[in-house]
Amino acid sequence: RKEVEQDPGPFNVPEGATVAFNCTYSNSASQSFFWYRQDCRKEPKLLMSVYSSGNEDGRFTAQLNRASQYISLLIRDSKLSDSATYLCVVLNRDDKIIFGKGTRLHILP
Amino acid sequence: DTEVTQTPKHLVMGMTNKKSLKCEQHMGHRAMYWYKQKAKKPPELMFVYSYEKLSINESVPSRFSPECPNSSLLNLHLHALQPEDSALYLCASSLGTGNSGANVLTFGAGSRLTVL
Repeated sequence: RKEVEQDPGPFNVPEGATVAFNCTYSNSASQSFFWYRQDCRKEPKLLMSVYSSGNEDGRFTAQLNRASQYISLLIRDSKLSDSATYLCVVLNRDDKIIFGKGTRLHILP
Repeated sequence: DTEVTQTPKHLVMGMTNKKSLKCEQHMGHRAMYWYKQKAKKPPELMFVYSYEKLSINESVPSRFSPECPNSSLLNLHLHALQPEDSALYLCASSLGTGNSGANVLTFGAGSRLTVL
């Protein structure tokens, strides 16, 4: 089982819709969780950290389910500018930061 | 200054060349990283420096040689590379390492390397 798994997509979603992705992780001792966004031929940029109690930043909501070992990202009222690859990132106890393969999102006009 | 600066942005080199990639940050971050990213793949960790000491080497071939001259600078020396080493090389930094809330990575824009 891969350490961090994501559905690669692509998710093709009409503008204004709500879209959600999940990411599963295999190491139950994983400590910190993040969602990064990467645009084509650009560097990854932090979208949000994921906290145990769940957290929201505008149209974006992240949740952590430790029992089932997954994190999720919900995007409401999607915009064309949300089109990107969303990378799930997990910090393990050995300080290694592991990236998922990413989920590609296309917002359609 | 909230940036990680990488130079050069693009590099083309032959298999017998020696070149270096450079990375600089002035955010007071004490951990710096090299990642390699191929097209449509996630970044793969190569090296981690923590407080200027190499803390993680992900079994990277010796033709890649990292160097951390001080807490703001990170270099990656390249020698006798292969065409399959062509990729985007990303530098990142974080305030610290470990589960202290200090492990958020800030990436540079990357150096796109082509080996002929």
